[in-house]
Amino acid sequence: DAGVIQSPRHEVTEMGQEVTLRCKPISGHNSLFWYRQTMMRGLELLIYFNNNVPIDDSGMPEDRFSAKMPNASFSTLKIQPSEPRDSAVYFCASSLTGRGTEAFFGQGTRLTVV
Amino acid sequence: AQSVTQLGSHVSVSEGALVLLRCNYSSSVPPYLFWYVQYPNQGLQLLLKYTSAATLVKGINGFEAEFKKSETSFHLTKPSAHMSDAAEYFCAVSYSGNTPLVFGKGTRLSVIA
Repeated sequence: DAGVIQSPRHEVTEMGQEVTLRCKPISGHNSLFWYRQTMMRGLELLIYFNNNVPIDDSGMPEDRFSAKMPNASFSTLKIQPSEPRDSAVYFCASSLTGRGTEAFFGQGTRLTVV
Repeated sequence: AQSVTQLGSHVSVSEGALVLLRCNYSSSVPPYLFWYVQYPNQGLQLLLKYTSAATLVKGINGFEAEFKKSETSFHLTKPSAHMSDAAEYFCAVSYSGNTPLVFGKGTRLSVIA
């Protein structure tokens, strides 16, 4: 299995531009998570899906952030418009729903907003 | 709310010395506990997990952790540090099969030759 695949690995964009991050979870996994990692705040859960349905988006910082999961093999995290404080590493992770199951992480997307 | 606290944002050990990274959890119900490792510019990789079977859990790369309910702790240890162990380590907790992992702030491990 190729694991969780995220694209792009690096993104540099100007403030005000739209940014779309992409994630392909591990085949057969039915839970998907988006995390953001910064030096100041560590790993924060932004949103998670179960069976393609958003379950909890309380971690999404502002309305500028949105996430979709149109099918079991693809998810996007969009920031529109982007701001410099959005600069961070964004991770996608997937797992099987079940007690004590671990999450498998992608390599992350390093976003820099200038 | 479920949470974990990692004591020490940075731990430095000599090569060959014992590694001890501390994690305490808050819980009123039995937790599931995890340790992950993150190497520079990479994602998180599972080291080991506790799911209420044996209290001493062995993981990859010679790491192990012991679940102590009385101390609400799940500390990570390795008898002898290698240079390749230098990384960021995260403790995480979940309480059911449908809730995401909640991560601690992480502990950066440095290994000195």
